[in-house]
Amino acid sequence: GESVGLHLPTLSVQEGDNSIINCAYSNSASDYFIWYKQESGKGPQFIIDIRSNMDKRQGQRVTVLLNKTVKHLSLQIAATQPGDSAVYFCAEKIGRKGGKLIFGQGTELSVKP
Amino acid sequence: DTAVSQTPKYLVTQMGNDKSIKCEQNLGHDTMYWYKQDSKKFLKIMFSYNNKELIINETVPNRFSPKSPDKAHLNLHINSLELGDSAVYFCASSQTGKNYGYTFGSGTRLTVV
Repeated sequence: GESVGLHLPTLSVQEGDNSIINCAYSNSASDYFIWYKQESGKGPQFIIDIRSNMDKRQGQRVTVLLNKTVKHLSLQIAATQPGDSAVYFCAEKIGRKGGKLIFGQGTELSVKP
Repeated sequence: DTAVSQTPKYLVTQMGNDKSIKCEQNLGHDTMYWYKQDSKKFLKIMFSYNNKELIINETVPNRFSPKSPDKAHLNLHINSLELGDSAVYFCASSQTGKNYGYTFGSGTRLTVV
């Protein structure tokens, strides 16, 4: 069946530390991956994406790593801040005409001041 | 300006009732989606429409009927509501051929009592 995501429901880090959130995907045909952040009471918000022909992509304080050999995706957040506290989802995109995003279970990141 | 807007934000209703959720996007995207998020935060696609054409129907009970009057709108009508329909429903949109993440609305929390 389709599935994305390791079951790692919570991650607690100290403010200023780096955070790493991991995700596994199962569909070898997926060619595009996205990380979303969801704050309480809001919809998922795009953070960063990566195509399957890349291994690494950097944004502002965030880096996504893709290892296609083991079908693994990670999100690194540098100097984690209280405002980073949220649930983070990885998603893989398959199909045409918009396709569909298959989401992982999500990881709740809690940042301690 | 809200890119993807859903109404209502909260909906409390009794079992057996029929209700609708509306979604509008002003991004000029050609594809719209409905996702369901359960109590464990798992996000699962229900439907997608591309230029008013139904593309994805993920084995959703036929009590759920999406309607897309134009490519900027995608409504979700639910008949004979059941307790298990309680969830947060998210609308999203994307543009075919553009590999960036979907834009999500802020969600509609449906509670069936």
